[in-house]
Amino acid sequence: GENVEQHPSTLSVQEGDSAVIKCTYSDSASNYFPWYKQELGKRPQLIIDIRSNVGEKKDQRIAVTLNKTAKHFSLHITETQPEDSAVYFCAASTGYSTLTFGKGTMLLVSP
Amino acid sequence: DADVTQTPRNRITKTGKRIMLECSQTKGHDRMYWYRQDPGLGLRLIYYSFDVKDINKGEISDGYSVSRQAQAKFSLSLESAIPNQTALYFCATSDPRQGRSTDTQYFGPGTRLTVL
Repeated sequence: GENVEQHPSTLSVQEGDSAVIKCTYSDSASNYFPWYKQELGKRPQLIIDIRSNVGEKKDQRIAVTLNKTAKHFSLHITETQPEDSAVYFCAASTGYSTLTFGKGTMLLVSP
Repeated sequence: DADVTQTPRNRITKTGKRIMLECSQTKGHDRMYWYRQDPGLGLRLIYYSFDVKDINKGEISDGYSVSRQAQAKFSLSLESAIPNQTALYFCATSDPRQGRSTDTQYFGPGTRLTVL
């Protein structure tokens, strides 16, 4: 089955800095890569996703890049703000099956 | 997302007790999932159901069972709870007919279960 590795497990940045979270996947058939954000005490919510037919996708301050050859994808957050502090999960699937999640990254943004 | 609800929100039980966690959704989605979240281990899939007549084991199904009573309801049972089942449990739904994001999953608020 699919295996998703996520790094780092914790990431501390100063407000205004950029943050990058990286994930690798094992199943070359995977073609759908979402990112979920979980604020403290809340449920995970989708923030951005990418499909394997594109290499990059942006939505305001967040972007995701995908390298199919290397089987890795990354989340980029620019101009970080304290409200970006949360746990971020990457995931992968073949598009019509279940999601396999990474173990999560706790992002702390200090004012 | 109030469209996916879970009951109870918190539960403390004792080793050996049977317990049921319930999930209801008003999104009209066919697919429903149960996940377990433990610190440092992420979200792990316990069971999933792609429609009312379909039940599938996930990564960590041992010690759990499920029932899909209707399109809107998916229950998770622990037949004989043990302390290492102490965790945060999430129900989720998805609908591949959405089109824009095939596997976008919508999570319930979670149930915090403690087994003493």
